[in-house]
Amino acid sequence: GAVVSQHPSRVICKSGTSVKIECRSLDFQATTMFWYRQFPKQSLMLMATSNEGSKATYEQGVEKDKFLINHASLTLSTLTVTSAHPEDSSFYICSGMAGRGTDTQYFGPGTRLTVL
Amino acid sequence: QQPVQSPQAVILREGEDAVINCSSSKALYSVHWYRQKHGEAPVFLMILLKGGEQKGHDKISASFNEKKQQSSLYLTASQLSYSGTYFCGTLPPQRDKIIFGKGTRLHILP
Repeated sequence: GAVVSQHPSRVICKSGTSVKIECRSLDFQATTMFWYRQFPKQSLMLMATSNEGSKATYEQGVEKDKFLINHASLTLSTLTVTSAHPEDSSFYICSGMAGRGTDTQYFGPGTRLTVL
Repeated sequence: QQPVQSPQAVILREGEDAVINCSSSKALYSVHWYRQKHGEAPVFLMILLKGGEQKGHDKISASFNEKKQQSSLYLTASQLSYSGTYFCGTLPPQRDKIIFGKGTRLHILP
């Protein structure tokens, strides 16, 4: 299967700071990338969908000014959690989709964010 | 709308079989199955497309009944490595985004 990497794998930050998470597709070009948040023992909740070169589409209830998504190239998408607060602590996972007509999503290893 | 998975959790002994069901109230284009181990990202298992099909590799197989909007994942002669949480994801006809169910936790005992 295709490989997606995420960096960092784990981050601890103070309340009020911003954190950037990178998601890279290593062996395929991801025309579409998805960002999910997962709380312990819960399902994957889609936050936003991003297509290369265009603005991300956010799910209802997700603050686009707080969770900034940039999909600058076919292999890189970034999620920036701005002014993070303890309630933003979660497991953030990205996935990439190889192209139109290919619906399979390949997930990155996830980033565990802890906001103190 | 989020698909419904059943059961929520299963405990099996190594070598036993398991079936995990996934149902949707909406029309589906495809169903996707993933397995996630604790603290790790979901790993793709298989995708089933509309038209009704069955797939399988090794001792893990799945079926998709398009008319009933249901899919089932079959785990045969389970191994310890099968432990984890299984998620089904459903893709609607407009193929915009996959919606994942709440997951089924599978625990295999030696």
